[in-house]
Amino acid sequence: RKEVEQDPGPFNVPEGATVAFNCTYSNSASQSFFWYRQDCRKEPKLLMSVYSSGNEDGRFTAQLNRASQYISLLIRDSKLSDSATYLCVVLYQKVTFGIGTKLQVIP
Amino acid sequence: EADIYQTPRYLVIGTGKKITLECSQTMGHDKMYWYQQDPGMELHLIHYSYGVNSTEKGDLSSESTVSRIRTEHFPLTLESARPSHTSQYLCASNGDTWSTDTQYFGPGTRLTVL
Repeated sequence: RKEVEQDPGPFNVPEGATVAFNCTYSNSASQSFFWYRQDCRKEPKLLMSVYSSGNEDGRFTAQLNRASQYISLLIRDSKLSDSATYLCVVLYQKVTFGIGTKLQVIP
Repeated sequence: EADIYQTPRYLVIGTGKKITLECSQTMGHDKMYWYQQDPGMELHLIHYSYGVNSTEKGDLSSESTVSRIRTEHFPLTLESARPSHTSQYLCASNGDTWSTDTQYFGPGTRLTVL
């Protein structure tokens, strides 16, 4: 079983839609969790950290479920500019990246 | 913006040449990493370092080598480049504490070996 698992997609959604990604992790001792965004042929950039209480940044909401060992990212009112690959990242002694979920927002 | 830099950004080179990809960060981070990523594919960790004089191989086997003589500098070397080394190489770093454990990436070096 992979340490961090994501559905690679692609998720094709219309503008204005709400889309949610999940990511599961295998190590229950994992300490920190992040979502990164990677545009085509660019480096990954931090989108948001994920806190136990959940956190929101504008149209983006991240949640952590330690009991079921998954984190989620919700994007509301999708924009064309949200099209990218979203990487789930888990930290326990070392940083582990998921394979990424590709999102394509369609006009 | 992250203070982590990579040079060159693009490199096209012939088979058999020795190359060094530079990575430096000014954030005082102890932990530094090299990833390899082909277009549209996942990131693969090839090397990491948790401090000066500490280097380890990552999850993906690589013919490259690294060194960490200074905290801020983590160069990657290929002694004899081959077409199979064509890829994007991304350097990243993060600190040790809870408040600095976010990993920041450099802009990457896109390597093409002819």
